[in-house]
Amino acid sequence: AQKITQTQPGMFVQEKEAVTLDCTYDTSDPSYGLFWYKQPSSGEMIFLIYQGSYDQQNATEGRYSLNFQKARKSANLVISASQLGDSAMYFCAMREDSNYQLIWGAGTKLIIKP
Amino acid sequence: DSGVTQTPKHLITATGQRVTLRCSPRSGDLSVYWYQQSLDQGLQFLIQYYNGEERAKGNILERFSAQQFPDLHSELNLSSLELGDSALYFCASSVSHGQGHRGEQYFGPGTRLTVT
Repeated sequence: AQKITQTQPGMFVQEKEAVTLDCTYDTSDPSYGLFWYKQPSSGEMIFLIYQGSYDQQNATEGRYSLNFQKARKSANLVISASQLGDSAMYFCAMREDSNYQLIWGAGTKLIIKP
Repeated sequence: DSGVTQTPKHLITATGQRVTLRCSPRSGDLSVYWYQQSLDQGLQFLIQYYNGEERAKGNILERFSAQQFPDLHSELNLSSLELGDSALYFCASSVSHGQGHRGEQYFGPGTRLTVT
């Protein structure tokens, strides 16, 4: 069974609009972490944001925020005021404390239109 | 700049050959991970080392092997190369692999391997 699901293979968004990238996960481990990474066309993988399963507040990092809904097992990435440079692949990943590997989603390709 | 370095950046070789990819983790990071990313694919976890010892194996072929040296740099060896091995190979590092750490991995720029 898929542990990390990113249901949007691709998205087009107008520049300056906010965008939400979906991520749902499946785990029975009570302690886990959720991550988002960005991969621009240049290829590098860039760590964006982290949310711990016991964190009371949603994580924020600049224009990035994580909409964490634990009961629904979702960890959506919200990018506010999108910019052309936000065009990239975005990957959601999960780390279970019982197994310290990162489990990766298939990614969402985001294209920001001018 | 993540602080993780990988060499070479590009590698073109023929089928049947053997190559070595090198990775230096961020200063202070003890864990090194290797990933393969084929064209338009997600990340496939290959193997993890922690402080010189193998910690976890993913979808790593028997033709592939890796090691982590006492200075914590790591090498991924790919042998009897096939066309299908053409991919972007990433190295990532993290502080630790145990509880109490967030576990985020910082990625190197990758080595793009082309097998012809």
